[in-house]
Amino acid sequence: EAQVTQNPRYLITVTGKKLTVTCSQNMNHEYMSWYRQDPGLGLRQIYYSMNVEVTDKGDVPEGYKVSRKEKRNFPLILESPSPNQTSLYFCASSLRQGTNVLTFGAGSRLTVL
Amino acid sequence: AQSVAQPEDQVNVAEGNPLTVKCTYSVSGNPYLFWYVQYPNRGLQFLLKYITGDNLVKGSYGFEAEFNKSQTSFHLKKPSALVSDSALYFCAVRDANTGFQKLVFGTGTRLLVSP
Repeated sequence: EAQVTQNPRYLITVTGKKLTVTCSQNMNHEYMSWYRQDPGLGLRQIYYSMNVEVTDKGDVPEGYKVSRKEKRNFPLILESPSPNQTSLYFCASSLRQGTNVLTFGAGSRLTVL
Repeated sequence: AQSVAQPEDQVNVAEGNPLTVKCTYSVSGNPYLFWYVQYPNRGLQFLLKYITGDNLVKGSYGFEAEFNKSQTSFHLKKPSALVSDSALYFCAVRDANTGFQKLVFGTGTRLLVSP
């Protein structure tokens, strides 16, 4: 089944403890992106990647890192999480940028205490 | 900068009645517009998109959207609502003139369809 898989789906952590949210797609998509969803703010883009080893900042990149060493994987790294990073995170991919439709993962709910 | 606005936080409609979820956009070039739906505890799912061509776009689950360039709007519609349509709906836009760098989402509109 074509899908975007995120892990973990739920995580409670403490301030400053590094964590990684993994994202993997099995559709050979070139484009991948991370969003965070917050009440009243909708979805905001954190980082995106147009292909392997090509990444760029979205609207809210502060406090996050990403890497794209393989086409299928696009992990989101929080080096030192803070409470304002408590959010619902979505990974998405599409064949290419432009007019292509995004396929979303099921989401990762992160709570930072 | 490109943006979309969804002026209603929530829309309430009775089952069987027509529904409209509003979206207006602002871009510097030609807009590529999308509607996505989010059911509880799920990721967003694609409903429909407008690239060029007919102003009325048909999508999944009986939804359609009308592109209006003069009013810079892209409202989502359905002739007869179902209880199962209750979900969170997001409008989104890509700006062709910025090289498709970003897909910008609205803040979402919660649709509640009552039996």
